[in-house]
Amino acid sequence: DVKVTQSSRYLVKRTGEKVFLECVQDMDHENMFWYRQDPGLGLRLIYFSYDVKMKEKGDIPEGYSVSREKKERFSLILESASTNQTSMYLCASRTGGGGSPLHFGNGTRLTVT
Amino acid sequence: AQSVTQLDSQVPVFEEAPVELRCNYSSSVSVYLFWYVQYPNQGLQLLLKYLSGSTLVKGINGFEAEFNKSQTSFHLRKPSVHISDTAEYFCAVRTTDSWGKLQFGAGTQVVVTP
Repeated sequence: DVKVTQSSRYLVKRTGEKVFLECVQDMDHENMFWYRQDPGLGLRLIYFSYDVKMKEKGDIPEGYSVSREKKERFSLILESASTNQTSMYLCASRTGGGGSPLHFGNGTRLTVT
Repeated sequence: AQSVTQLDSQVPVFEEAPVELRCNYSSSVSVYLFWYVQYPNQGLQLLLKYLSGSTLVKGINGFEAEFNKSQTSFHLRKPSVHISDTAEYFCAVRTTDSWGKLQFGAGTQVVVTP
C-alpha cells in the first residue's frame, strides 16, 4: 500500500512565523501535491510537482512556496503565516499515469493565532 | 477549465436505507471522474473512478457510480448504508488532456443514524 506521511497532525503557529509542512511518500511517485481543505470549499490546489526540483502553481499559491529536493519529499512553506491560512493541509501523490488516483496523507491541521 | 458541483452539502440517512450523492461537472473536453471518501480525522481515499468503458462503475464498500455523459453527471449510490459510512464524500474531475490537476467538489457530508 502507498503510504503518504505528513510530519505533523496538529500545528499551532503565530502570525508572521515561517512554517514548514513536510510530506513523504514511499512509492516512488513522480507527482506530488499540496491542497488546503476548508468547510464548504472542498479541496483547493496550492502547488504541485511532477519531478524533483520542479514545481507548478495551483489555484491558490499566494502566500505559499514549496520545495522538492528529493523525489519522496515535498515541503510546503508559509513564508509569513497569517490567520487566513488556518486550515487543514493535505499532501497527496500519484504516478504519472493518466487516470491514476491520488493517494493522500492524513492531513495537518494548522492554526495560526 | 472544468468545474464540479455537488448538489447536496449534507445528506442524513437511516441505517440500511439507500443513499445517492449527486455530482455534476462541466468540461469542454473528455474527463476522468473520481469519488473519494474522507472518514473523520483522516485523509481522502479513493472509492471508485471512471476512466472509460462501462458507464457503471463499482467501487469499494458496496458503492457504485454511473457516468452519464449527456447529463454530465457522476452520481454515487449505495443500496444499504451502515453507520460506518458516515463520512464526507468528494467528487473530482480532471480532463484527459491535462497531466494531473484534479478539480474537487465542495463535498457532501453523509450522516448515518440508527
